[in-house]
Amino acid sequence: NAGVTQTPKFQVLKTGQSMTLQCAQDMNHNSMYWYRQDPGMGLRLIYYSASEGTTDKGEVPNGYNVSRLNKREFSLRLESAAPSQTSVYFCASSEIPGLTYNEQFFGPGTRLTVL
Amino acid sequence: DQQVKQNSPSLSVQEGRISILNCDYTNSMFDYFLWYKKYPAEGPTFLISISSIKDKNEDGRFTVFLNKSAKHLSLHIVPSQPGDSAVYFCAGATSGTYKYIFGTGTRLKVLA
Repeated sequence: NAGVTQTPKFQVLKTGQSMTLQCAQDMNHNSMYWYRQDPGMGLRLIYYSASEGTTDKGEVPNGYNVSRLNKREFSLRLESAAPSQTSVYFCASSEIPGLTYNEQFFGPGTRLTVL
Repeated sequence: DQQVKQNSPSLSVQEGRISILNCDYTNSMFDYFLWYKKYPAEGPTFLISISSIKDKNEDGRFTVFLNKSAKHLSLHIVPSQPGDSAVYFCAGATSGTYKYIFGTGTRLKVLA
């Protein structure tokens, strides 16, 4: 099992360009997440998808859109990239949270630079 | 408003000694907490968790302590090994929700 995979690993964009970050998981998880990690800021949730067909905003959704393509895949789109979106992006997945914790499994990340 | 705080950005410890990483939170709705470990150029990996109904959870060399009255948790690593050198994130969550709130991380360096 590959777990959570992300493409691309690295990307450089110019301000105003668009791109889509891809994420796929093979653990049959229902929930998927997109985070960004910035120095001194920890991991912040951008969007999540509780289950196939649903998406919701996290802490920092502005400037992003998401698509839950099917149970396996959850993509993050930057329509018009800005330098403030320079970050490392992580995708994660988990079972639907219940009464106890559900560990989130993370992908290896995409390092994005916007010039 | 930072709901989860890790006030020590970095920590250095000698191999074989105890590493203690601290985390404070402000959200009283959190009822479980998790620690994740992150190596450079990799995604975070789950390390250990604790429910708010407990004050201690142990898994091998790793123990997490929770002091609800102080809204404080700590991760103890005994004995510390060079392979433990990584960034450690604590996170708080409310059961039944999807949002983990992460702290800013503590970089642990274990010196051989």
